[in-house]
Amino acid sequence: NAGVMQNPRHLVRRRGQEARLRCSPMKGHSHVYWYRQLPEEGLKFMVYLQKENIIDESGMPKERFSAEFPKEGPSILRIQQVVRGDSAAYFCASSPLAGVNEQFFGPGTRLTVL
Amino acid sequence: DQQVKQNSPSLSVQEGRISILNCDYTNSMFDYFLWYKKYPAEGPTFLISISSIKDKNEDGRFTVFLNKSAKHLSLHIVPSQPGDSAVYFCAASPNSGNTPLVFGKGTRLSVIA
Repeated sequence: NAGVMQNPRHLVRRRGQEARLRCSPMKGHSHVYWYRQLPEEGLKFMVYLQKENIIDESGMPKERFSAEFPKEGPSILRIQQVVRGDSAAYFCASSPLAGVNEQFFGPGTRLTVL
Repeated sequence: DQQVKQNSPSLSVQEGRISILNCDYTNSMFDYFLWYKKYPAEGPTFLISISSIKDKNEDGRFTVFLNKSAKHLSLHIVPSQPGDSAVYFCAASPNSGNTPLVFGKGTRLSVIA
């Protein structure tokens, strides 16, 4: 009964490169959320997806960031042309179809931009 | 514009005593509140939640109190144990359905043996 899985756990990129972060929700969960945590800050909502649909992307920067949750496979958060300010921990959470809003978090991906 | 505020960045408590972590919110639309615990290099772990129709919810050593008129909630841990040492995040959402959570900045709890 695996929990939310994220990979890679650590990702180092140089400025201008692309970063791809993957999230596999818990079995039976069809709602995925991405959050970002800067140092000494709380988690900030980025995007909320269901299978093949973006439900709410109000927390996502307008440029360079995109997310998807295809019918098959993990959810992907993609950051193009990374800058140093993108360095953060990125957490994915999932919740079941009709449950209460108890989101279960993965271990996170720590992105470092050199 | 911090809608969920945890004004104490850190708290130290002796083992066996009560830990009280506080959280204030500004958005009156928030209707559902959660506490998460986070260890370094791990994701947050759900602890306990409370709906605005209640003023108290208890689960073992953890109790959450909600004062809706004051827009304030607190997490009580009793008795505190060294393994409780972690960062605790308060989170809120406008309902108990599937909506994004708004987090506070966290309070680092240290339980001293």
